Amino acid sequence: EAGVVQSPRYKIIEKKQPVAFWCNPISGHNTLYWYLQNLGQGPELLIRYENEEAVDDSQLPKDRFSAERLKGVDSTLKIQPAELGDSAVYLCASSSGAGAFTDTQYFGPGTRLTVL
Amino acid sequence: AQSVAQPEDQVNVAEGNPLTVKCTYSVSGNPYLFWYVQYPNRGLQFLLKYITGDNLVKGSYGFEAEFNKSQTSFHLKKPSALVSDSALYFCAVRDPDRGSTLGRLYFGRGTQLTVWP
Repeated sequence: EAGVVQSPRYKIIEKKQPVAFWCNPISGHNTLYWYLQNLGQGPELLIRYENEEAVDDSQLPKDRFSAERLKGVDSTLKIQPAELGDSAVYLCASSSGAGAFTDTQYFGPGTRLTVL
Repeated sequence: AQSVAQPEDQVNVAEGNPLTVKCTYSVSGNPYLFWYVQYPNRGLQFLLKYITGDNLVKGSYGFEAEFNKSQTSFHLKKPSALVSDSALYFCAVRDPDRGSTLGRLYFGRGTQLTVWP
């Protein structure tokens, strides 16, 4: 079974430029998560989807970040415009249930963003 | 608020020796606890989880974790460390709230484990 796929793996951009990250979850997983991992820190949730619906986006900086999961499968996370402080690893994860307590989240390899 | 503390930034052990990576948690409700491992330039890999039942949880790659409710701890252990176990280990607690934050994981800062030959 294929794991969570993310692309690109690495991205270097100039500040104020837009950037987008793509995630394909494990087949059949209804719940999708985007996390931000700063250097030396644990991941922090940005947004959680159940199918197409964003059910937990309270930690997403909506002035510059946006996300979508149009058909309830793939998801895209966008930053526009990027700032120096956005340099981090962006992780996507998926789980099979509707965020149930016993669900295990499976993570992709992440996208390492560097903003110059 | 839910939180996890990993009191050691680094743990160094010799190959063949037992290892322990410490984790304490704070949660308002039943704790649902997870351990993940992260290798360089890789995502997080699931090791094990505690939901309910036996306090000793067995997971992948020979790892196990002991849940201790009175000490609010969930330490990761392995009887005999391998050089290949060297990686960054994260403890996480699940938000037990049934509202919008259901399913949110709160991670510790991570513990770098180094196993030397």
